[in-house]
Amino acid sequence: DSGVTQTPKHLITATGQRVTLRCSPRSGDLSVYWYQQSLDQGLQFLIQYYNGEERAKGNILERFSAQQFPDLHSELNLSSLELGDSALYFCASSEQGALTDTQYFGPGTRLTVL
Amino acid sequence: AQSVSQHNHHVILSEAASLELGCNYSYGGTVNLFWYVQYPGQHLQLLLKYFSGDPLVKGIKGFEAEFIKSKFSFNLRKPSVQWSDTAEYFCAVISDSWGKLQFGAGTQVVVTP
Repeated sequence: DSGVTQTPKHLITATGQRVTLRCSPRSGDLSVYWYQQSLDQGLQFLIQYYNGEERAKGNILERFSAQQFPDLHSELNLSSLELGDSALYFCASSEQGALTDTQYFGPGTRLTVL
Repeated sequence: AQSVSQHNHHVILSEAASLELGCNYSYGGTVNLFWYVQYPGQHLQLLLKYFSGDPLVKGIKGFEAEFIKSKFSFNLRKPSVQWSDTAEYFCAVISDSWGKLQFGAGTQVVVTP
């Protein structure tokens, strides 16, 4: 158990819908990261937050958005869902969001878009 | 373009065999290197990491990796694998010029009894 929690574990929805994925970082960690894992794209970095502020952005679609709240939990919002958005979405956290920090990964949310 | 390459997508070997997984990266500047493992149905876990110092790094569960700067490589090794090492292994790199953790495509390792 990494100490990072994600809800829900599984999500099945239809195209065009909007979903919200939730992540709680390890106690004391200030930085949260979101990743997408799919068969064709592998593990892709989406976005990073540090203490409520966006720090780095990766291959995140405009239909996707995220935020980190004052209690440090984070939400990833996916809208206008397409079949290709079906993937495993991981959240990770680290102490300070520094390059040398170890990122601790959560169990992931498996999103299926039908 | 900045990238991380893992040479093998699938590796099948018997228990007690030695394992070596290749990882090459193409980044400028200072790099920090990681190997993560994902056991079936579980989350990614850190096996080992390299930031600086001794280029031979020892991690958990008997794994080690060697950073060879001239070859832009960070290969993972284990002298004698067990059935419980069946998992997917990911090499990851973060550089000061890129600032984001970039993963390789992963290598699925199956250890047969």
